[in-house]
Amino acid sequence: KQEVTQIPAALSVPEGENLVLNCSFTDSAIYNLQWFRQDPGKGLTSLLLIQSSQREQTSGRLNASLDKSSGRSTLYIAASQPGDSATYLCAVRPGGSYIPTFGRGTSLIVHP
Amino acid sequence: DAEITQSPRHKITETGRQVTLACHQTWNHNNMFWYRQDLGHGLRLIHYSYGVQDTNKGEVSDGYSVSRSNTEDLPLTLESAASSQTSVYFCASSVDRENTEAFFGQGTRLTVV
Repeated sequence: KQEVTQIPAALSVPEGENLVLNCSFTDSAIYNLQWFRQDPGKGLTSLLLIQSSQREQTSGRLNASLDKSSGRSTLYIAASQPGDSATYLCAVRPGGSYIPTFGRGTSLIVHP
Repeated sequence: DAEITQSPRHKITETGRQVTLACHQTWNHNNMFWYRQDLGHGLRLIHYSYGVQDTNKGEVSDGYSVSRSNTEDLPLTLESAASSQTSVYFCASSVDRENTEAFFGQGTRLTVV
């Protein structure tokens, strides 16, 4: 069974720092990996989707990388802002399944 | 714009009552999912559907049911609400079995008293 782990569970940083959020998964046979953002009391917003054949995806200040062989993905946030404060979740679509498996998320606070 | 909407956003119900949570998407996506989100457990899959008349159980399906009579809707029914079903419920959809980028609704906060 695919298991997804996100470390750290919580992170508090000053504004302007560059951040790396980690996502690891136990089975490297995946179809894709998706990063989400969740604001308190809100739904999940899709940030980036990386297909298994890709190494990275970029959107604005966000860059997500994927290393299937080591079972890892990282979400890089450049020049963090208070508006980036949220919980970030990763979800892996395992091989042989069409259903994403979620990590428990990293709660990020960026203080001014 | 196409979207996925859940209703109601908040619901309080009594133990033993039947409750139905609505999920409606206008993207014409084939795949639809119901998750619950609880502290300490993250997101757990309740039921899912790959198309009209198709429904499948997820990891925490006991006490829940779904039906898929059209592409747009996947209502979630709690047959006899229990306090353990107090949670935040999320509906999600994706295009099909190959294109599985998921999009989520805003959630329904259900309290069973």
